[in-house]
Amino acid sequence: AQSVAQPEDQVNVAEGNPLTVKCTYSVSGNPYLFWYVQYPNRGLQFLLKYITGDNLVKGSYGFEAEFNKSQTSFHLKKPSALVSDSALYFCAVRAAPSSGNTPLVFGKGTRLSVIA
Amino acid sequence: DTEVTQTPKHLVMGMTNKKSLKCEQHMGHRAMYWYKQKAKKPPELMFVYSYEKLSINESVPSRFSPECPNSSLLNLHLHALQPEDSALYLCASSQERGGAEAFFGQGTRLTVV
Repeated sequence: AQSVAQPEDQVNVAEGNPLTVKCTYSVSGNPYLFWYVQYPNRGLQFLLKYITGDNLVKGSYGFEAEFNKSQTSFHLKKPSALVSDSALYFCAVRAAPSSGNTPLVFGKGTRLSVIA
Repeated sequence: DTEVTQTPKHLVMGMTNKKSLKCEQHMGHRAMYWYKQKAKKPPELMFVYSYEKLSINESVPSRFSPECPNSSLLNLHLHALQPEDSALYLCASSQERGGAEAFFGQGTRLTVV
């Protein structure tokens, strides 16, 4: 069975400071890992993914994430937070190899609040 | 075009009504999904269609009836819903590759009165 843990319900950070949103996963075998962001009353927007290769993945809006196999983690990071980054962030996993119709398993979400 | 379009954006329906939610994508994706999301919670999978055939039904009550008329369209027919069915209903699509990300629509905010 696959699972994702996002240990923090809420992360607060001052504008201009670096931010980290944590994610750990559990799968049999190798993972496909994803980060999504959700603004109020909107759908989920894809930020970035790890499939294979370089452990540091760069995505949209200046976000990046580092895949750490030994710690089974895929933390989301940004060097300098913006107030507009305030939103709900979801980490998701799918076991590899699998087809695209294998559903993503989502973490419970972390609310990021960036304070001006 | 990387859009998944859902209509309507908002829907209020009585418990005896019949209504339908619609979802459309033109990215050539052959996997399509319905999710239900309650406030401040992650999306919960309801149904998966693969090549227009229902491949996963997560034990969803029969008052929710999905339909995939063609490779671009996905419908969710609603009948005799309960107030606890009020939620944001999200449609998503993806390519068939396992590493493919899912693209989500903006959702339909459903209120059952």
